[in-house]
Amino acid sequence: NAGVTQTPKFRVLKTGQSMTLLCAQDMNHEYMYWYRQDPGMGLRLIHYSVGEGTTAKGEVPDGYNVSRLKKQNFLLGLESAAPSQTSVYFCASSVSPGRFTNTGELFFGEGSRLTVL
Amino acid sequence: AQKVTQAQTEISVVEKEDVTLDCVYETRDTTYYLFWYKQPPSGELVFLIRRNSFDEQNEISGRYSWNFQKSTSSFNFTITASQVVDSAVYFCALRLYGQNFVFGPGTRLSVLP
Repeated sequence: NAGVTQTPKFRVLKTGQSMTLLCAQDMNHEYMYWYRQDPGMGLRLIHYSVGEGTTAKGEVPDGYNVSRLKKQNFLLGLESAAPSQTSVYFCASSVSPGRFTNTGELFFGEGSRLTVL
Repeated sequence: AQKVTQAQTEISVVEKEDVTLDCVYETRDTTYYLFWYKQPPSGELVFLIRRNSFDEQNEISGRYSWNFQKSTSSFNFTITASQVVDSAVYFCALRLYGQNFVFGPGTRLSVLP
């Protein structure tokens, strides 16, 4: 009953360090997303993927890279962390919504809290 | 362009009061999907409901109800007899067919005992 799992849950980095957040889903979903949530800013889309081997930029992609080598995994990388990247990161997955059916909601991971000093 | 507005930034009510959270969306598409999510203080995002543009039927689930009106582009959420456990940030979201989600800024609901 795992759903969407994010690792790590917490991380503290120094400016300039690199790290990777891992997202894994066991629901065979085609679509996967990375969001960041800052106080008072709601959810902002960083990158997303509509299938294995594909990625695309979202609303705030600068400073991040992603990879989707396997359908179940979506990795978010920070090559050179900056204090502005201090945030809570959420991974999510979904199926594509059927045109005439009620499907396609996002399933979220528990979030990863990243602090960049 | 698509947009979701949740005009109420914060709402405070006393337990057992009814409260309505407003959501207004903008889209020119005729096929779209609307969602509500709850984010309690623990931080996780919990899916509450989805509606597609072809189904304007309102829905009730226990103390929760949703009113979808295409004429006013609104998808409002009412909690009846609110409880302290309802305290959370609530997000309304819009998704077009084959496209990404657009989230509203959220409404922080505080239910006081």
